[in-house]
Amino acid sequence: QKEVEQDPGPLSVPEGAIVSLNCTYSNSAFQYFMWYRQYSRKGPELLMYTYSSGNKEDGRFTAQVDKSSKYISLFIRDSQPSDSATYLCAATPSNTGNQFYFGTGTSLTVIP
Amino acid sequence: ETGVTQSPTHLIKTRGQQVTLRCSSQSGHNTVSWYQQALGQGPQFIFQYYREEENGRGNFPPRFSGLQFPNYSSELNVNALELDDSALYLCASSSLGEDTEAFFGQGTRLTVV
Repeated sequence: QKEVEQDPGPLSVPEGAIVSLNCTYSNSAFQYFMWYRQYSRKGPELLMYTYSSGNKEDGRFTAQVDKSSKYISLFIRDSQPSDSATYLCAATPSNTGNQFYFGTGTSLTVIP
Repeated sequence: ETGVTQSPTHLIKTRGQQVTLRCSSQSGHNTVSWYQQALGQGPQFIFQYYREEENGRGNFPPRFSGLQFPNYSSELNVNALELDDSALYLCASSSLGEDTEAFFGQGTRLTVV
């Protein structure tokens, strides 16, 4: 069993839709959770960084972590064609380094 | 732009050869980690360097080795290249012991033929 599981999609939505991306994880020691966006043939770009359970909002993006169910979510409101990319969730036990465990990534296409 | 730079951007090598990839970390960061990302997969942790010492390693064989220099830049060396080593190699920098995010470079795409 992988440490972090993520549905690879692909996911296709019309412009303006609300997008929900999800991951599950198995390691109870994970405390920090990240969402990265990766455009084709580029390095991952950090979108959201959260600690423990709860919600964090940044513009059109909201990250949710539910440690009781080991569930990580990213919501994108008013999706734009420029949001078309692969979204990677990641988790780590501590903030003392960057030994992250990544999901496989979900490919998202926002259709104009 | 994250301030993390990797070189080269693309590389083609023959099976059995050796390769060296380079990473310059973001200013103020003292830790570099290397990841391998195969096509259609998430990045897999190779190892991490802090103060010029290896500080954690993933499930990769010893032919994957690294170095970190006093200016915190880093190298990834892979010996005896295999076809399955073809991937995007990413480095990420952060500050160990501080509550900071990790930032990735644009990656080096290695093709082994």
